[in-house]
Amino acid sequence: KAGVTQTPRYLIKTRGQQVTLSCSPISGHRSVSWYQQTPGQGLQFLFEYFSETQRNKGNFPGRFSGRQFSNSRSEMNVSTLELGDSALYLCASSLAGGEAFFGQGTRLTVV
Amino acid sequence: QQQVKQSPQSLIVQKGGISIINCAYENTAFDYFPWYQQFPGKGPALLIAIRPDVSEKKEGRFTISFNKSAKQFSLHIMDSQPGDSATYFCAASGMDETSGSRLTFGEGTQLTVNP
Repeated sequence: KAGVTQTPRYLIKTRGQQVTLSCSPISGHRSVSWYQQTPGQGLQFLFEYFSETQRNKGNFPGRFSGRQFSNSRSEMNVSTLELGDSALYLCASSLAGGEAFFGQGTRLTVV
Repeated sequence: QQQVKQSPQSLIVQKGGISIINCAYENTAFDYFPWYQQFPGKGPALLIAIRPDVSEKKEGRFTISFNKSAKQFSLHIMDSQPGDSATYFCAASGMDETSGSRLTFGEGTQLTVNP
């Protein structure tokens, strides 16, 4: 059974640009959550999508957005990038809640 | 309150020793408590999890102890091995419709097991 796949693994962007990250959950999983991991703030919840609907949202500015497609694949978008957005972005999938399995993450560097 | 407090921040143990990491939470609506292990350059991997209806769960060398009245839970790694050297995160979530799959993480513990 394939795990959670995140693409790309690494990204370098310039301040002011936007970026889109992709996550393919484990087959059959309908919930996809996104987290930001930084050395200073640790792992912070961004948002969760379940059956194409945002079910929960963390305390991040509106520049951070996401969506989920009918096949459960999810994308997150960050607009007007800031240096502080440099982080490891992690996607986690679960059936409907409970056990969550993480992908390897996308390392975003904003220069 | 949504915080989960984790200690210690770093831990060094000798091979064969017991590693103990502690977490405390405030939100009584939390009812699912997983532990994750993360190696450098990798995503967190689910290690073991517990629900409040049991006080202890053991899987191999890993044991979670749960104290509902104190709102605390801990991870014990028996016979610690150098390969266990990683960062460990505790987490908590509720199972109501509002919480969904939202995990609130502790700050992490950097475990080093010396050979």
